Amino acid sequence: KNEVEQSPQNLTAQEGEFITINCSYSVGISALHWLQQHPGGGIVSLFMLSSGKKKHGRLIATINIQEKHSSLHITASHPRDSAVYICAVMDSNYQLIWGAGTKLIIKP
Amino acid sequence: EAQVTQNPRYLITVTGKKLTVTCSQNMNHEYMSWYRQDPGLGLRQIYYSMNVEVTDKGDVPEGYKVSRKEKRNFPLILESPSPNQTSLYFCASSLWGPEVETQYFGPGTRLLVL
Repeated sequence: KNEVEQSPQNLTAQEGEFITINCSYSVGISALHWLQQHPGGGIVSLFMLSSGKKKHGRLIATINIQEKHSSLHITASHPRDSAVYICAVMDSNYQLIWGAGTKLIIKP
Repeated sequence: EAQVTQNPRYLITVTGKKLTVTCSQNMNHEYMSWYRQDPGLGLRQIYYSMNVEVTDKGDVPEGYKVSRKEKRNFPLILESPSPNQTSLYFCASSLWGPEVETQYFGPGTRLLVL
């Protein structure tokens, strides 16, 4: 079983829909990262969380440490949000453990 | 503009021919790291560096070398490349490390070893 599981693996939605991508982990962590990988391959860090919630524009990330779960939400989704979204956790040994990614396609 | 640069962006080489992929950041970051990304395996860390002259192995260091002689540069060296090192490589940096903040990623280097 992977230590970091993302769901869904693939998600296709219509423009304007509210998007939720989930990340569950099985190890103790000190931080959780959400990243976005564009179709061209470039990677951008979106958030780093250790508790609570963060918001940047239309993106919201939450984490529940007790439940070992994080969600990334996109409000008013747009085709330019189409990308692979990756969750990564920093474990107690200061190692980053990466999820497999969620491929999001937003149709106009 | 704050950025992480990698060169080359694309490289085709043959087995055994030594190559170096350069990585440079202009943000005075202490922490730098190399990852490879392969289909179905996601990102895996090769090496990282907490500061000048301080480097440590990541998850998949075999077949790679790194050096950190200056804070801004963190080259990845493949002394004798093999086809299983065909991959997409990313360099990343942050002021301290991913346990306290997000990382900045380079644009990636696509390597094909024949």
